[in-house]
Amino acid sequence: DSGVTQTPKHLITATGQRVTLRCSPRSGDLSVYWYQQSLDQGLQFLIQYYNGEERAKGNILERFSAQQFPDLHSELNLSSLELGDSALYFCASSTSGTPYNEQFFGPGTRLTVL
Amino acid sequence: SQQGEEDPQALSIQEGENATMNCSYKTSINNLQWYRQNSGRGLVHLILIRSNEREKHSGRLRVTLDTSKKSSSLLITASRAADTASYFCATVKKSSGDKLTFGTGTRLAVRP
Repeated sequence: DSGVTQTPKHLITATGQRVTLRCSPRSGDLSVYWYQQSLDQGLQFLIQYYNGEERAKGNILERFSAQQFPDLHSELNLSSLELGDSALYFCASSTSGTPYNEQFFGPGTRLTVL
Repeated sequence: SQQGEEDPQALSIQEGENATMNCSYKTSINNLQWYRQNSGRGLVHLILIRSNEREKHSGRLRVTLDTSKKSSSLLITASRAADTASYFCATVKKSSGDKLTFGTGTRLAVRP
């Protein structure tokens, strides 16, 4: 158990809908990262927050947004969903967000868009 | 986009044998990390090697890094059935913060 929790575990929804994925980092970790894992794109970095502020952006679509709240939990919002958004979405956290800290991954949310 | 390629894509060995996986990457890095993923589950950090290090050990794991060739290898010695998983290398690029850029992964199957 990494100490990172993600809810829900599974999500099935229809095209055009909007969903919110939630992540609680390990106690004391200030940095939260979101990754997407799909069969065709592999594991890709989406976005990082550090202590409530956006720190880095990766291959995140404009239809997707995220935020980190004062209690450090984070939410990833996916809107106007398409079939191709079906994937595993992982949240990870680390202590200080420096290049030398390992990232602890949550169990992931499996999103299926029908 | 994927930073690197891993080979082989899939590897099947007998319990007790050694398993070697390779990772190549394209740009200058701060460090390289190896993660394990059991089927459809979260990733578990195995080992981190900095760009100024050449070799690192952790239990049955041995990682090497050759920055001149932009490649790394992960050796698992005396493999066990429980080592069956996908293994990913991930790089932290220089001047790119601390986000991880993952390789394509190697699926390892260890036969009892």
